[in-house]
Amino acid sequence: QSALTQEVSVSGTVGQKVTLSCSGNNNNIGGYAVGWYRQISRGAPKTVMFGNSLASGIPDRFSGSKSGTTASLTISGLQPEDEGDYYCSVWDYSLSAHVFGGGTKLTVL
Amino acid sequence: QVQLQESGPGLVKPSQTLSLTCAVSDDSITSANYYWSWIRQPAGRGLEWIGRIYTNGNTNYSPSLKRRLSISVDTSKKQFSLRLTSVTAADTAVYYCARDSLFITGASFFDSWGRGTLVIVSS
Repeated sequence: QSALTQEVSVSGTVGQKVTLSCSGNNNNIGGYAVGWYRQISRGAPKTVMFGNSLASGIPDRFSGSKSGTTASLTISGLQPEDEGDYYCSVWDYSLSAHVFGGGTKLTVL
Repeated sequence: QVQLQESGPGLVKPSQTLSLTCAVSDDSITSANYYWSWIRQPAGRGLEWIGRIYTNGNTNYSPSLKRRLSISVDTSKKQFSLRLTSVTAADTAVYYCARDSLFITGASFFDSWGRGTLVIVSS
């Protein structure tokens, strides 16, 4: 069981706005910014964003936010190339360890 | 843009030691701004953080792996390494190394990833 909770799957149509969530606790998300990573066809993960800052090469239709112990990744204007598995991760103060969510499979219909 | 490359045996026998090395392409391995992490992914499953090391040798390990785990760094060779002892089939996974970018708040994130290397534990 993962320390962070993500939806197993999310789907949307091209152009739609979708939001992926990542829930934790006060020892991790409540205290630190969250990283988001995309994995396509089980290849190497690619960094999407950290906190509300986009990684290099990521289009600005992606945005990040946090409220309390839940972080969110929003894609405004979904594109076919956005499909993939999305993982959230954050430093956990009590564990002195990074923790990951179980991942969300994003499908573009 | 930093490049990371994992290397090591693709097949390890049960009860033996898994050893991997990650080569870093630039001098950021000596920078105070980064940790250096290992992450793995068993087939069909999600990402699992293994541990990390700082340029001065300070480490943090996953609580579930720390009894069997050792991570070291050789800044002169621009590389860091993973040793996992007493492996079982459950340690079969793709192993990634990643640069762990550190912020003054204590938060950090993985800003660069290696391509990963598959390690199978089998006799």
